[in-house]
Parts: sequence; C-alpha cells; structure tokens
Amino acid sequence: DGGITQSPKYLFRKEGQNVTLSCEQNLNHDAMYWYRQDPGQGLRLIYYSQIVNDFQKGDIAEGYSVSREKKESFPLTVTSAQKNPTAFYLCATRGTAMNYGYTFGSGTRLTVV
Amino acid sequence: AQSVAQPEDQVNVAEGNPLTVKCTYSVSGNPYLFWYVQYPNRGLQFLLKYITGDNLVKGSYGFEAEFNKSQTSFHLKKPSALVSDSALYFCAVRETKTGGSYIPTFGRGTSLIVHP
Repeated sequence: DGGITQSPKYLFRKEGQNVTLSCEQNLNHDAMYWYRQDPGQGLRLIYYSQIVNDFQKGDIAEGYSVSREKKESFPLTVTSAQKNPTAFYLCATRGTAMNYGYTFGSGTRLTVV
Repeated sequence: AQSVAQPEDQVNVAEGNPLTVKCTYSVSGNPYLFWYVQYPNRGLQFLLKYITGDNLVKGSYGFEAEFNKSQTSFHLKKPSALVSDSALYFCAVRETKTGGSYIPTFGRGTSLIVHP
C-alpha cells in the first residue's frame, strides 16, 4: 500500500448525503483509478484518469463523480444518486510503462446508515 | 475484448501441501497477466506478472505462475502452503496493443483457505 493514501478507512453516509473519498499518491504516476469491490463480484471500474484535468467513465460511473486537478490527487464523490453505495472502494495508480501493473491503496469502506 | 475467469470461488488446502489457484483468460493478441493478493480490509498487493519470455514466472512470498498459451491459462502455484497464505487472490489480464487505455480486467477472485 506504500505510496497511496486513502482516507478515511471507514466512512458512514446518511441517506441523501454526498460523501468524498480521498486518494493521494506520491509515486509520480500519471494514471489513477477508482474501483468498487462487492463480495463475490470482484473489482468494478468506476472512473479513471490518465492525466491531470482529464478523466473517463468506467463501467459503473452512475452516481459517482471525480476530479483530477493535481497529479497527486484523485478524489471520488459518492452522490445521493448512487442508490446502493455500501461497498469497499479502492484507489489504484499505474506507472508509465505499458507493462506495469497497478499499485493499490488500502481502501475505504463506505456504509450507508 | 478481454476477459478473465477464475473458476473456483474457494480453494481449500492443508498447510504444507502444494496449492493451485486457477485462471484462464481471453484477449486479442498477446496478454499481460497479473496476480494480486488481498488480505481482509486491505488493498490488493502485487504478486507477479507475465509480460514475455519464460513461461514460469516467480513472484513474492514463494508464489509462481505458469503461462500456458495453448490453454490460455495462468495458474498460480506454491509448492508448500502456509496458513498465512489464506487470502483472496485476483488474476488480471490486459491486452498488449498500444494506444488503448491499458486497463486490465480482473477476475472475480478466489478465496484461498489453508488449514493448519
């Protein structure tokens, strides 16, 4: 998990509330990603960004938003439009070489209360 | 299009016995293949990758994986399992062609349980 900091580790959201998950990296990686993990479903891509000020929707972007104003930071906002937000959220980065794998943060567990 | 399958939701093995976690893939052209491990409430940790060259890839914590192009498989193996190997294991595949988004596809994960 070194080099990527996700905060908070646990987050509780009330119905109708927006919350923002933080992801900060000091690896100098250009590409950053947000995944959602649910039991038995593996990892599903929410959003990704390959360069500052640019980002793309993944497979399950509805109800989520992101920004990439700095290379080091890629925050994810879970909006009230996301009807089932309870999940484990993982941020990842990738180095510039084509054959690089991902480096993952330690995750944020979001629970709706 | 690319896809990866991990046919077993759970693998049980006794400590000291060899273990295998299966992975098959589908890509256009040559693949990049990865294995990751996840411990409870943690992020994924990189174990090993196949890019090119020797079909037997050695990785962290004594794990290895064998790339088999004819069977489109990349099974994870370890000669002698430890209780501490118990975790969730993910296989991932990515196409090697340039100009794409370089986003891998992950399998659904296999839970490895090593019994004392």
